[in-house]
Amino acid sequence: AQKITQTQPGMFVQEKEAVTLDCTYDTSDPSYGLFWYKQPSSGEMIFLIYQGSYDQQNATEGRYSLNFQKARKSANLVISASQLGDSAMYFCAMREDTGNQFYFGTGTSLTVIP
Amino acid sequence: EPEVTQTPSHQVTQMGQEVILRCVPISNHLYFYWYRQILGQKVEFLVSFYNNEISEKSEIFDDQFSVERPDGSNFTLKIRSTKLEDSAMYFCASRDTRYEQYFGPGTRLTVT
Repeated sequence: AQKITQTQPGMFVQEKEAVTLDCTYDTSDPSYGLFWYKQPSSGEMIFLIYQGSYDQQNATEGRYSLNFQKARKSANLVISASQLGDSAMYFCAMREDTGNQFYFGTGTSLTVIP
Repeated sequence: EPEVTQTPSHQVTQMGQEVILRCVPISNHLYFYWYRQILGQKVEFLVSFYNNEISEKSEIFDDQFSVERPDGSNFTLKIRSTKLEDSAMYFCASRDTRYEQYFGPGTRLTVT
């Protein structure tokens, strides 16, 4: 079974609007971390946001927030007030605290339309 | 701000040749990783390294691959006999005892 599933290969959003990128995960470990990374066309991987499995509140970092629904095993990324520079691939990832490996999803390509 | 660096940015090699990809992790980090990303595809875990030894490796990381931390700063990935399917972007990453890992800019490997 896939550890991380991203079901949206491509998304479009109007500039200044909010967008939600979906991510579901699969683990039996009680302790784990969830991450989102941005990969612009230049290729680098940029860390955006982290959510721990025991965190009571949803993580937020500026315009990024993580909608963490533990019972549904989902960790959706919400980008508010989209900007043209947000156009990129977005990867959801997970690390179980029992190991070092990070598992990545297949990514979602976000295009922000002016 | 400290960052992970990788050299070279692009490596072209012939099939069957050995390549060494180099990384300098962030200096106080303890965990080091190599990933690869075939063009347009997902990021695939290769290996993690902690306390001077491999802590985990994937099925991709077979006997053709090896990693080394030859000194206190460098972390290398060696591919002994490259194949066409090894063509990919190779990312190094590191983290400290916190959760998030930071990626280098990648080395694009082209095997001809």
